[in-house]
Amino acid sequence: QQQVKQSPQSLIVQKGGISIINCAYENTAFDYFPWYQQFPGKGPALLIAIRPDVSEKKEGRFTISFNKSAKQFSLHIMDSQPGDSATYFCAASWLGGGADGLTFGKGTHLIIQP
Amino acid sequence: DADVTQTPRNRITKTGKRIMLECSQTKGHDRMYWYRQDPGLGLRLIYYSFDVKDINKGEISDGYSVSRQAQAKFSLSLESAIPNQTALYFCATSGYGTPSSYNEQFFGPGTRLTVL
Repeated sequence: QQQVKQSPQSLIVQKGGISIINCAYENTAFDYFPWYQQFPGKGPALLIAIRPDVSEKKEGRFTISFNKSAKQFSLHIMDSQPGDSATYFCAASWLGGGADGLTFGKGTHLIIQP
Repeated sequence: DADVTQTPRNRITKTGKRIMLECSQTKGHDRMYWYRQDPGLGLRLIYYSFDVKDINKGEISDGYSVSRQAQAKFSLSLESAIPNQTALYFCATSGYGTPSSYNEQFFGPGTRLTVL
């Protein structure tokens, strides 16, 4: 049972463009939605996270949009740069059960073309 | 020095062999996790540990076992390795603090395991 569905699997964006990655979740108990960024040969690292009490969170060029009723959230990368090329994972958990670990989407391989 | 270290970084073994992957952390976190990453499948939780006395199965624990030797050390064992356990394995930690920081997980660099 896949509880977090992520799309697209791969994405190519021109430098300066907007990269958009989408995720949908099933478990309404989830209340913490992070995005992780992974470069080749490295472990994933937290990029940005959101709680469902807000619809949007922005940190620099990275924005999470959250739609609680649709059970969807997305990552927007503005002014995408070649250094943003990486694999991005959305994830979900519930803070009360934080020790259960994160449920990850399958990942999006993002390539930013110069 | 890295906060979360994993050894070995690469390992090739044969079917039926026992193998142990080790994880150490200097972050002082109480919670530790083992994930497996496969291409196109994302990361899947194998085991997690609240502290040295608390070990819990994750989504895909069959064929694996773990040992929490100390707060800072969490080992993953494959008692009899099989080819479909070929994957990238990650250890992660999380600490106690504010609810939002509690869930932030810090990942090690990974161990690439190949079972022939």
